[in-house]
Amino acid sequence: DAKTTQPNSMESNEEEPVHLPCNHSTISGTDYIHWYRQLPSQGPEYVIHGLTSNVNNRMASLAIAEDRKSSTLILHRATLRDAAVYYCILRAVYNFNKFYFGSGTKLNVKP
Amino acid sequence: DSGVTQTPKHLITATGQRVTLRCSPRSGDLSVYWYQQSLDQGLQFLIQYYNGEERAKGNILERFSAQQFPDLHSELNLSSLELGDSALYFCASSVGTDTYNEQFFGPGTRLTVL
Repeated sequence: DAKTTQPNSMESNEEEPVHLPCNHSTISGTDYIHWYRQLPSQGPEYVIHGLTSNVNNRMASLAIAEDRKSSTLILHRATLRDAAVYYCILRAVYNFNKFYFGSGTKLNVKP
Repeated sequence: DSGVTQTPKHLITATGQRVTLRCSPRSGDLSVYWYQQSLDQGLQFLIQYYNGEERAKGNILERFSAQQFPDLHSELNLSSLELGDSALYFCASSVGTDTYNEQFFGPGTRLTVL
């Protein structure tokens, strides 16, 4: 199964942009890239997903490298509420739709 | 609030016992997923059901089983419990089974095995 690699932790200042990287060098052509985050004491929540093109939604932007071997989740203005563990996940079409969460990146946002 | 409900919130039991965790998906969602989150293993996919049928299996032990009922709620049964089964158990739901379907997670059930 394709795996992802993320830094264990990152730190940001409030109201500054945050770029969370993810490496997925063994990604296959039909794998979607999903990002979820888990706030303290809560279940994970969906952030964004993409296949090949960059994506934007109200929460974040997803920048996908041209070779798809890496991606970056961009939070445009971090708030204290964005402090969470961010998971980059590959979701395979032909792998029974399994969802594999790695260890994620713990984001700390400083006021 | 994701719209996914899980009961109970907390469960404390003894080794060797059996428990049942319950999940109600969001209205309109046909897929239900179960996950286990422990301190040393992180978030692990256990099993998925779609409209009453099992669709995918992950790292689910033989002592664990699940089902999805006609009203689409799901139950995860854990038997012959061991200390290592202590974890947070999350249920998630999605509209379908497509790769791009967003999953909505419930608040989880914290299981403590003594």
